[in-house]
Amino acid sequence: AQKVTQAQTEISVVEKEDVTLDCVYETRDTTYYLFWYKQPPSGELVFLIRRNSFDEQNEISGRYSWNFQKSTSSFNFTITASQVVDSAVYFCALSPFETSGSRLTFGEGTQLTVNP
Amino acid sequence: GAVVSQHPSRVICKSGTSVKIECRSLDFQATTMFWYRQFPKQSLMLMATSNEGSKATYEQGVEKDKFLINHASLTLSTLTVTSAHPEDSSFYICSARGRGRAYEQYFGPGTRLTVT
Repeated sequence: AQKVTQAQTEISVVEKEDVTLDCVYETRDTTYYLFWYKQPPSGELVFLIRRNSFDEQNEISGRYSWNFQKSTSSFNFTITASQVVDSAVYFCALSPFETSGSRLTFGEGTQLTVNP
Repeated sequence: GAVVSQHPSRVICKSGTSVKIECRSLDFQATTMFWYRQFPKQSLMLMATSNEGSKATYEQGVEKDKFLINHASLTLSTLTVTSAHPEDSSFYICSARGRGRAYEQYFGPGTRLTVT
């Protein structure tokens, strides 16, 4: 069985602060994919990143960075110099590494509020 | 990137009636479509997986006769909520996966269903 845990239900920061969203996962698969999605108030899921389990390089994209540590089963997401537009619910997700039926298991989500 | 549309974006229906939600892949052939349900402030829960031309596979606890899923073509899947009740009010999101790209799931913008 697969499980994703996002322990932080809500985070509130002031604009320009850095913020890290935690994600811990459980899986028996040796290969898998990890994802982060953003869900603004409009409801539409916005894809942020996909990482496969055999690539532990950290990634940076603008103000966003991701830290993947297989040893601790964590895939944390950091927003640097947060902005009000970053306010949204962020979901971490996990899927098996297979050619069919790649079902996503989502975490409970973290509501991020960035105050001006 | 690939585009998935959903129609309608919002629907209000009376208790006891049925409502159909369409999910279309606009610029690719979707061999697999997924239907999720999201209650307020909760995560996405997978309801069912459908492959083109075959019956949908429902998750445990999802009533097949209540949530009818049809994936008649490579670009269209429909979810029909039959005999809707107020507890069926939720945000329904579809996603689609193309042939040969198991790790890519493209999400629709969601449909907000309110049953009065």
